[in-house]
Amino acid sequence: IAGITQAPTSQILAAGRRMTLRCTQDMRHNAMYWYRQDLGLGLRLIHYSNTAGTTGKGEVPDGYSVSRANTDDFPLTLASAVPSQTSVYFCASSPNGQETQYFGPGTRLLVL
Amino acid sequence: GQNIDQPTEMTATEGAIVQINCTYQTSGFNGLFWYQQHAGEAPTFLSYNVLDGLEEKGRFSSFLSRSKGYSYLLLKELQMKDSASYLCAVLDSNYQLIWGAGTKLIIKP
Repeated sequence: IAGITQAPTSQILAAGRRMTLRCTQDMRHNAMYWYRQDLGLGLRLIHYSNTAGTTGKGEVPDGYSVSRANTDDFPLTLASAVPSQTSVYFCASSPNGQETQYFGPGTRLLVL
Repeated sequence: GQNIDQPTEMTATEGAIVQINCTYQTSGFNGLFWYQQHAGEAPTFLSYNVLDGLEEKGRFSSFLSRSKGYSYLLLKELQMKDSASYLCAVLDSNYQLIWGAGTKLIIKP
């Protein structure tokens, strides 16, 4: 089934631990994005990638890193988690960065 | 700064019509999107406007006025399944989506 998958679905993480959220798409989209969604706030862009091999910083990049080794995968890493990173994380993709974005199901992360 | 405003919450009756407004101030404009998000789920695409006017898609329509920095989403013949949050987003000059906080729509029987 074509689309975007994310793993894990949810996670409880101790503060200070390292965590990688996985995102994979099979639509051959060039552009991919990581957002966080917090109650009362709009989706906020963490990092993006316009094509394999390139990445860029979004509105709230601090404490997060990404890589884009190939077209399909776009993992997001929290090097040392803090409670303020408790959120719902969505991965999204679009064909070339100027069109509709399609979202994965999200990862619910609780940092204690 | 960039800003997108939409009402936090609206209530409507099943079978009725509701209009959700969105105003924006962004650095550049390359189109406006509306997404639907049911509780606990991912946003899903509803509509896209880049030129002024009304785009109709079944029970849903979206309107854009670029000179006024204004859009609305019109939902007709409301159904209980339309209970969701509706997100307005603008593609800015850097082709980044700027998102509003969303409007939670509650449908009552």
